[in-house]
Amino acid sequence: DAKTTQPPSMDCAEGRAANLPCNHSTISGNEYVYWYRQIHSQGPQYIIHGLKNNETNEMASLIITEDRKSSTLILPHATLRDTAVYYCIGVNNAGNMLTFGGGTRLMVKP
Amino acid sequence: NAGVMQNPRHLVRRRGQEARLRCSPMKGHSHVYWYRQLPEEGLKFMVYLQKENIIDESGMPKERFSAEFPKEGPSILRIQQVVRGDSAAYFCASSRQENTIYFGEGSWLTVV
Repeated sequence: DAKTTQPPSMDCAEGRAANLPCNHSTISGNEYVYWYRQIHSQGPQYIIHGLKNNETNEMASLIITEDRKSSTLILPHATLRDTAVYYCIGVNNAGNMLTFGGGTRLMVKP
Repeated sequence: NAGVMQNPRHLVRRRGQEARLRCSPMKGHSHVYWYRQLPEEGLKFMVYLQKENIIDESGMPKERFSAEFPKEGPSILRIQQVVRGDSAAYFCASSRQENTIYFGEGSWLTVV
């Protein structure tokens, strides 16, 4: 699975969009980009995933660059409850196991 | 649909006792994963199981830890002769074949 690089922490004002970047320059053609988050003392929560097209669901949008070497998770209107550690993970679906890195600690402030 | 169910949510054991953590996957999911999170650290993969088979146990400590996913019933993570360093949150996750993985809320083990 591809190694991913994320900033260790970010702040965002409540109500504004939170844009969380992820570099995955070694990602292979059949690897998906998955995003999870972990709110303190809870289990990791699946957010969204994509292969090469941009994706949107009720939680977030995922923008993947054309060369697939990086992506951005967008929370369009961040709330205090979005404060969490966000993980970007490259996954070869044939293997399916998730390898968590350090993630980005997002702090949403009033 | 019920999510991944783990129990107990909190477990206290004395050093040397056994800990058993149970995980019921989401309905229709036949793949189960166990992860461990030590205090103030990241999630570490332990083991990946399908019904009656261990697929990948590369993250399991060599001694005292075992996991099973029987044909009937929940998956069990068993820790024998617990030590203080086993105190951690243990997360179970499940998926359908080659599909998105969903996590439970975790079991917090405290060894005193």
